[in-house]
Amino acid sequence: NAGVTQTPKFQVLKTGQSMTLQCAQDMNHEYMSWYRQDPGMGLRLIHYSVGAGITDQGEVPNGYNVSRSTTEDFPLRLLSAAPSQTSVYFCASSYGLGTPSYEQYFGPGTRLTVT
Amino acid sequence: AQKITQTQPGMFVQEKEAVTLDCTYDTSDQSYGLFWYKQPSSGEMIFLIYQGSYDEQNATEGRYSLNFQKARKSANLVISASQLGDSAMYFCAMRDPYGGSQGNLIFGKGTKLSVKP
Repeated sequence: NAGVTQTPKFQVLKTGQSMTLQCAQDMNHEYMSWYRQDPGMGLRLIHYSVGAGITDQGEVPNGYNVSRSTTEDFPLRLLSAAPSQTSVYFCASSYGLGTPSYEQYFGPGTRLTVT
Repeated sequence: AQKITQTQPGMFVQEKEAVTLDCTYDTSDQSYGLFWYKQPSSGEMIFLIYQGSYDEQNATEGRYSLNFQKARKSANLVISASQLGDSAMYFCAMRDPYGGSQGNLIFGKGTKLSVKP
């Protein structure tokens, strides 16, 4: 199993550009999510999905869109990049919703810089 | 609202000694889960250990143990016999019982551990 994969690993955007961060998992996990990590802030939830066709907002959703057409894929779209979106982005997935001890598996992260 | 507090931005420990990383949490729920993740300088998030609120015994995984004190709402990570490879950021997290069918995690700001030879 590849686990959770993210592409690209690094990206530089100009203000106003749009792009999609890709995330895929091959573990048949129902739950997938996107976090951003800023210095001194820990990880904050952007959007999440509890299954194909179902998405919802997290703590910091503004400026981002998601969709979940398949169990495997959960792309994150930046609509019009801003310098405030410079961050490291992590995708995560887990299974066994409702099971107390399931862990979240994280992708390797995407380091995004917006100039 | 649920909240995780890690009060130690950075810590040093001598190699082969034990170290405790502090984590306190705030929740009014009776059922919750607590996690610790390690993030080395390479950036990936590595799951270390899990404690459920109804677990009567403290969780252990190899050199990692979780000192769970429910009444004090603390879930400290203890690393025994520190190794140079333990140098990393450590994050405490709690499952949000109301978010994402209990899939969402709420993270603390992390503690940077440095192990000295």
